[in-house]
Amino acid sequence: DVKVTQSSRYLVKRTGEKVFLECVQDMDHENMFWYRQDPGLGLRLIYFSYDVKMKEKGDIPEGYSVSREKKERFSLILESASTNQTSMYLCASSHGRRLEPSEQYFGPGTRLTVT
Amino acid sequence: KNQVEQSPQSLIILEGKNCTLQCNYTVSPFSNLRWYKQDTGRGPVSLTIMTFSENTKSNGRYTATLDADTKQSSLHITASQLSDSASYICVVSAPLRDKVIFGPGTSLSVIP
Repeated sequence: DVKVTQSSRYLVKRTGEKVFLECVQDMDHENMFWYRQDPGLGLRLIYFSYDVKMKEKGDIPEGYSVSREKKERFSLILESASTNQTSMYLCASSHGRRLEPSEQYFGPGTRLTVT
Repeated sequence: KNQVEQSPQSLIILEGKNCTLQCNYTVSPFSNLRWYKQDTGRGPVSLTIMTFSENTKSNGRYTATLDADTKQSSLHITASQLSDSASYICVVSAPLRDKVIFGPGTSLSVIP
């Protein structure tokens, strides 16, 4: 079974702090994604990566950056956390290099609260 | 603009009853449509996937239908169980590699 793990289930940070969210997948997937999920808005794509050291902006990249130094690991960075970044953060991975968009496998999520 | 809408926003049903969730989309061109189930505090898990040429796909008590002409899909749950309580998310993919658009989800509560 595909397993996607996230470093923390719950996180509380103060405004202005630098926050690192880590995601690891064990299925050798090429693609990795970071989403945030807010009530009534659904999942919104922050950043994604198709390969090591490669990243592309999603729909809401402002205030975030990412790092993919190894194929299995994709990190989301909040350079200076703000209260409007309080949210559930979900990481996902999928097979790449296919014609059809493939199923994304999600981690359990990190609920981040910025006070 | 590519959009995915779902209805109802939330639903409460009695255990053992059937229900149908709706998904309307304007994504074009269209590649495939998935329904995900998201339990509280967990990440979404895929239930079904349908391509343009498929009308119906079943997974146990879950049956998804797709009308590509009207750009509508439904998820029918038969003989609901308490464990069906979750958010159900409709996700539509465009041919561009792994470009997906998520609907806002329908929150289903099954009560005894």
